[in-house]
Amino acid sequence: QVQLQESGPRLVKPSGTLSLTCAVSGASVSTTHWWSWVRQSPGTGLEWIGEVYQSGTSNYNPSLKGRVTISIDKSKNQFSLMLNSVTAADTAVYYCGRVVGSGSYVDSWGQGTLVTVSS
Amino acid sequence: QSALTQPASVSGSPGQSITISCAGTSSDVGSYGSVSWYQQHPGKAPKLIIYKVDYRPSGVSNRFSGSKSGNRASLTISGLQAEDEADYYCCSYAGGYTHYVFGTGTRVTVL
Repeated sequence: QVQLQESGPRLVKPSGTLSLTCAVSGASVSTTHWWSWVRQSPGTGLEWIGEVYQSGTSNYNPSLKGRVTISIDKSKNQFSLMLNSVTAADTAVYYCGRVVGSGSYVDSWGQGTLVTVSS
Repeated sequence: QSALTQPASVSGSPGQSITISCAGTSSDVGSYGSVSWYQQHPGKAPKLIIYKVDYRPSGVSNRFSGSKSGNRASLTISGLQAEDEADYYCCSYAGGYTHYVFGTGTRVTVL
């Protein structure tokens, strides 16, 4: 059974860079799946951030493009999110997940981590 | 790309059936058979309950069912139970530039 665990700083200063890592266990990131990030601002809905494949190919939400980078580290079986030039609007619970490419759905989710942007 | 439109709230009594709609466009729901539904209890991560419009993952109750017609998808919960009280989100693949779009979310209340 695949398990995903987010980690990283919980507090980021405005204009800084948000960095999170998702450690994957029970499965290899070097499979025919995409690995994604989704966020949820307090009291609001889910927002797809982007995804990365084992080859390093990535796709991003157009609304975040230019600020977001998702990368993969096959040697550590993990993938990462970097979001720069953050503002208070980027305060959210960030989830990592495994995307089943053939059906384009997230079948496994991390527990989520709240990242607050504040000085 | 705008979020898919869902009703803000739906309620029902135990044992009843309810249906949650998810309105998209010809660029997302209407074009792809990749609609999924997620259940989210307060403070918890989303859980996949329906994928590829009407498939149920192993372990998900058969009281949950999905369908799609045109640009609109639907989730039906039959035999409503107290444990079904949660937020529900639809999601659709939307093609090369946008990739994925989520619905606005629906709060289900069991009366």
